[in-house]
Amino acid sequence: DQQVKQNSPSLSVQEGRISILNCDYTNSMFDYFLWYKKYPAEGPTFLISISSIKDKNEDGRFTVFLNKSAKHLSLHIVPSQPGDSAVYFCAASADSWGKFQFGAGTQVVVTP
Amino acid sequence: DAGVTQSPTHLIKTRGQHVTLRCSPISGHKSVSWYQQVLGQGPQFIFQYYEKEERGRGNFPDRFSARQFPNYSSELNVNALLLGDSALYLCASSFGLTNEQFFGPGTRLTVL
Repeated sequence: DQQVKQNSPSLSVQEGRISILNCDYTNSMFDYFLWYKKYPAEGPTFLISISSIKDKNEDGRFTVFLNKSAKHLSLHIVPSQPGDSAVYFCAASADSWGKFQFGAGTQVVVTP
Repeated sequence: DAGVTQSPTHLIKTRGQHVTLRCSPISGHKSVSWYQQVLGQGPQFIFQYYEKEERGRGNFPDRFSARQFPNYSSELNVNALLLGDSALYLCASSFGLTNEQFFGPGTRLTVL
């Protein structure tokens, strides 16, 4: 049962433009969400997180939005850079102990 | 500081064999989690250990087991290997009460 879904397997965006990655979840008990970036042959790297008490969190070029009523979160990357080309995973947890469920990932390609 | 390290990098086994994967967390981190990532999917949670005790288990058969040592390193053991166990096995560490997990590069297991 896939409780975290990333319905776009890939996204192509021009350098300097905004990248918007989407993630939907079905478990209303999820209260903590993270985004990870993964390059080939490396482990996922933590990007940004958000707890259910917030609806927005920013860190530099990265902003995560959470819509609890829609069970939807999104990651905005502005401006997109070539080094942002990677697979992005969203993950969700219903407790604080790291039992995260991951989406299938979205491959982002930033073109010149 | 060294990041999360995993060994071996790659491993080839045959069906029915047993495998042990190893993980060393970031110094000071007391929690280790194991994930299985099959090609084209996001990481699937297998186990979490904190202070040498199992704190969570994902939906994996009893062929999968793990333990954490006094120095907080961890082993993942898989018995009676099946072809479907072929995957990237990721280890992540965290201090314990934070939700930010740091991933290692993974061990690529191929079962023939």
